[in-house]
Amino acid sequence: DAMVIQNPRYQVTQFGKPVTLSCSQTLNHNVMYWYQQKSSQAPKLLFHYYDKDFNNEADTPDNFQSRRPNTSFCFLDIRSPGLGDAAMYLCATSRDLRAAERGYTFGSGTRLTVV
Amino acid sequence: KQEVTQIPAALSVPEGENLVLNCSFTDSAIYNLQWFRQDPGKGLTSLLLIQSSQREQTSGRLNASLDKSSGRSTLYIAASQPGDSATYLCAVMAGANNLFFGTGTRLTVIP
Repeated sequence: DAMVIQNPRYQVTQFGKPVTLSCSQTLNHNVMYWYQQKSSQAPKLLFHYYDKDFNNEADTPDNFQSRRPNTSFCFLDIRSPGLGDAAMYLCATSRDLRAAERGYTFGSGTRLTVV
Repeated sequence: KQEVTQIPAALSVPEGENLVLNCSFTDSAIYNLQWFRQDPGKGLTSLLLIQSSQREQTSGRLNASLDKSSGRSTLYIAASQPGDSATYLCAVMAGANNLFFGTGTRLTVIP
């Protein structure tokens, strides 16, 4: 089935140690997003790629970076994780920026713990 | 700025009851509205997508309505089951790339 896959499901990293989260999609969607969701809060958009064009949200910390080497894969890099970065990280895709046809498709998320 | 509110924040119902979850948004200029389900510690599963030109969408026991002019949407769940227990999030698409989420309603269906 076409889907959005995130790896790993759970990630534990040390304070200050760089970590990379992975997302892949088989939907051939043009847009890929990364969201951060803290406990009992709504998901917060960090950035998105429209094809190869990267778009950073104004309030996304510089500590967060992203790469999209091809249509199928997108990575979230956290250069120096702090305790406040512990959260669920959600990857999503949409066919276009207006998500007109099928809306957004989300992956199962990666829960990041910082120790 | 678009703000999305979901009421109630939490809801407990006995199994078999019909229930309604509410979502309101402040700016009616939306492209679409999407309802998601989130189980504890998991990602978001899309339930229903309503385009701005539509009034409702149905999938099995779920029915979502949209009244764009009043900035409201409801998710109706018929004959609730314990497996329906989860957090339900609504999100509106307003402007290119801007998906605004509510904080969700945590539903518990008691056997």
